[in-house]
Amino acid sequence: AQSVTQLGSHVSVSEGALVLLRCNYSSSVPPYLFWYVQYPNQGLQLLLKYTTGATLVKGINGFEAEFKKSETSFHLTKPSAHMSDAAEYFCAVAPRNTGFQKLVFGTGTRLLVSP
Amino acid sequence: ETGVTQTPRHLVMGMTNKKSLKCEQHLGHNAMYWYKQSAKKPLELMFVYSLEERVENNSVPSRFSPECPNSSHLFLHLHTLQPEDSALYLCASSQETGEGGTEAFFGQGTRLTVV
Repeated sequence: AQSVTQLGSHVSVSEGALVLLRCNYSSSVPPYLFWYVQYPNQGLQLLLKYTTGATLVKGINGFEAEFKKSETSFHLTKPSAHMSDAAEYFCAVAPRNTGFQKLVFGTGTRLLVSP
Repeated sequence: ETGVTQTPRHLVMGMTNKKSLKCEQHLGHNAMYWYKQSAKKPLELMFVYSLEERVENNSVPSRFSPECPNSSHLFLHLHTLQPEDSALYLCASSQETGEGGTEAFFGQGTRLTVV
């Protein structure tokens, strides 16, 4: 069974600082990997995803993530935080051998950005 | 309207009430999902419909009853709920190709409170 671990339920950064949100997965076969963002009172929005090819994936709002198979990780980064980045971020995996989007989510990391 | 729309946005119901949550997708997708989001827990996949047929039911109590009358609409019928069922219920849709890795689009959710 696949699982996702997000280290740190809360991460605090100052505006302009580097954002690093950690995600590790457990799977016998490298899965598809996703990062979603959820703003208050909103649904989830896809930031980026990795399916195949280049391991460094660029997403919306200046975020990027790197798939590292040897570390079973898919950490999310942004060089410079903005106040509008304050939200909850979810890492998710989906199996490759199924036709359905059976996302397995992590517990989420709330990003706090201070002025 | 575009994307995935859920109504109502907020719902308060007593334990003996019957209510329904509605989801509509305007994306032409062939799969729809219900997720439950509770505080401090990972998102839980409840039901999956593909081509209007239920293909997954993740051990959800029978007090939750889904209905998918067509590929654009999904309902979640609720009856005799418990206070622990209070949560954010998210609907999502995706276009499944049989190979996985497709993006799921989420609605804004219905915040359900059972009193």
